[in-house]
Amino acid sequence: AQSVTQLGSHVSVSEGALVLLRCNYSSSVPPYLFWYVQYPNQGLQLLLKYTSAATLVKGINGFEAEFKKSETSFHLTKPSAHMSDAAEYFCAVRVTNFGNEKLTFGTGTRLTIIP
Amino acid sequence: NAGVTQTPKFRVLKTGQSMTLLCAQDMNHEYMYWYRQDPGMGLRLIHYSVGEGTTAKGEVPDGYNVSRLKKQNFLLGLESAAPSQTSVYFCASIGHLNTEAFFGQGTRLTVV
Repeated sequence: AQSVTQLGSHVSVSEGALVLLRCNYSSSVPPYLFWYVQYPNQGLQLLLKYTSAATLVKGINGFEAEFKKSETSFHLTKPSAHMSDAAEYFCAVRVTNFGNEKLTFGTGTRLTIIP
Repeated sequence: NAGVTQTPKFRVLKTGQSMTLLCAQDMNHEYMYWYRQDPGMGLRLIHYSVGEGTTAKGEVPDGYNVSRLKKQNFLLGLESAAPSQTSVYFCASIGHLNTEAFFGQGTRLTVV
C-alpha cells in the first residue's frame, strides 16, 4: 500500500525567501508523484508531476520538485516566495498495479507568506 | 469542455436524511474517485472505480455507498447522514493516457 507524509502542517516564509515543502512517500512499485495547490474555497490545481522521466521536475508558478528514490522524497521548492503563493499544498502518490489505481494524498501544508 | 462537474455545490442535510452526490466527467476517463477533505486531514479516499460497473473501498468508506452504472458518472450516496459527514467532497478522474487526476470544484456538505 502506498502512503504520503508531509512534514509540517504549517510553513511560514518571508516574501522573497526560499520555499521548501517536504514530502516523503512509501510505495512498493515505482510511483507517480504529484504536487497540487489549493487556494481558499477552490478546487485542486496540479502544480507538477513526476512520471519516471527527469528526476527534477519543473511546474507552474516557478515551483520545482526533485524525485530522490534513495530518500523516498519529492520535496517542493521555489527560490523566491511571492504573496500569491499563499495556499495549501498537497503531495500525492499514485501507483498503477492491475486492479490498484489508488491516488493517495498527504495531509497538506498550509503556506503563509510574510510581507 | 466541462471536465469534471460535481452536483450540487452546497447542501445542508438534517441528521438521518439521505442524499446523492453526482460526479460527471466528459473526458472518457476510466478511473474515478471520491474524496472528503477535512481540516488537518488532507484528502481521504472514500471509494473509487476502475471502470464502468466496478467500485472499490478507499480508506474511509463507512456510511457511504457508490455506483458507476455509466462510465461518465460516479455517484456517492449517504443513506443516513451524520454530523461526522460534514465535509467538503471532491470527485476526481484519471484516463488511461493520463498520469494526473482532474478534479471537480467540490461539494460543501453540512449535516445538522
